[in-house]
Amino acid sequence: ELKVEQNPLFLSMQEGKNYTIYCNYSTTSDRLYWYRQDPGKSLESLFVLLSNGAVKQEGRLMASLDTKARLSTLHITAAVHDLSATYFCAVDFVAAGNKLTFGGGTRVLVKP
Amino acid sequence: EAGVAQSPRYKIIEKRQSVAFWCNPISGHATLYWYQQILGQGPKLLIQFQNNGVVDDSQLPKDRFSAERLKGVDSTLKIQPAKLEDSAVYLCASSSYRGRGTEAFFGQGTRLTVV
Repeated sequence: ELKVEQNPLFLSMQEGKNYTIYCNYSTTSDRLYWYRQDPGKSLESLFVLLSNGAVKQEGRLMASLDTKARLSTLHITAAVHDLSATYFCAVDFVAAGNKLTFGGGTRVLVKP
Repeated sequence: EAGVAQSPRYKIIEKRQSVAFWCNPISGHATLYWYQQILGQGPKLLIQFQNNGVVDDSQLPKDRFSAERLKGVDSTLKIQPAKLEDSAVYLCASSSYRGRGTEAFFGQGTRLTVV
């Protein structure tokens, strides 16, 4: 079964502190995506990770992929209020062929 | 570059009624997807088109849902008859598909409420 699990489901952050969101998946893939979704809005692409060991950074967000562990992490450095949103990882499984299986999302709330 | 366009943005219908959603993908994108996102969950793929052919509709409830992509461009998703559990946001996405790892771009979605 093709499964993608994120944790935590909800993350309450304090401004200025660092946090990590984890994304585990069930079987072989070397293609993983991170999306951001604001309430009532669509999905905004953040990162596309295309190989084992891939690391990408944009501002306070950094994503990495470990295909051997079937794990991706999204690291938030010095959280700010603007980062409040729901974050989804999505996997393009080898067995499934160019379509995304999404995790359940991590709802992030950054408090002052 | 214009993004993925969807309409309507919101729709409220009674159960057993029918409803249709429309999607216009990014120009030149051969692959089009319809996803269903229930409140508090991640999007779930309903159907994937490559040009005007169906690649995957394994998770589409075919007794009530149908979709078509005429001429390989615009697409419509129809529900008939609707059930309460169909209340969700229906997202359309498109990609240019140059192999695995090609990014998909999402539209704003249609929020359906079935009462």
